[in-house]
Amino acid sequence: GNSVTQMEGPVTLSEEAFLTINCTYTATGYPSLFWYVQYPGEGLQLLLKATKADDKGSNKGFEATYRKETTSFHLEKGSVQVSDSAVYFCALKVNTGFQKLVFGTGTRLLVSP
Amino acid sequence: EAGVVQSPRYKIIEKKQPVAFWCNPISGHNTLYWYLQNLGQGPELLIRYENEEAVDDSQLPKDRFSAERLKGVDSTLKIQPAELGDSAVYLCASSLGSLAGGGSYNEQFFGPGTRLTVL
Repeated sequence: GNSVTQMEGPVTLSEEAFLTINCTYTATGYPSLFWYVQYPGEGLQLLLKATKADDKGSNKGFEATYRKETTSFHLEKGSVQVSDSAVYFCALKVNTGFQKLVFGTGTRLLVSP
Repeated sequence: EAGVVQSPRYKIIEKKQPVAFWCNPISGHNTLYWYLQNLGQGPELLIRYENEEAVDDSQLPKDRFSAERLKGVDSTLKIQPAELGDSAVYLCASSLGSLAGGGSYNEQFFGPGTRLTVL
């Protein structure tokens, strides 16, 4: 089946620290991969995506590279800010039929000043 | 442009009572999704609508859950009767279509959710 595994949180960092949130996936075929972010009190927002192997998605200083050989899509940011505190969800979409997102369990990031 | 609107934001009920959640998608979005998000988990799809037609409801517990999308715009998700295990966040999302050919993706936009507590 299709599934996504994320590192458990919370991840606690100081401002300007380097961030990595691990995500690995299992899927039939070659899925598209996504990172969604959920800020407190708000709905999930698409942060970045990658549709094929070796693609790099990037947005707001965040990056993730689609690694087929390791079935991974780790989220990174070089210098986090307090405003990055949120829950981050890794997700995949199988590329046949109708789009259906399969989400990981989410990783909470807490950034302190 | 207004985002996906959901109401109520919070609901507390006693078990065996009915409850309903309402969703207004982004204008022009013909595809609407209802997700269930349990505490500490990612969202799981309950049902997907294309206009007014429910085209994927395989994960919807039909003995107590029902949904409708009259006129292909707003949607209501109902639980009757509610059970303790239904306590969760119910998310609504919408997109411009949902065909998934190749790497195409019609972005799903999510509402803030309704947090249900069943006592």
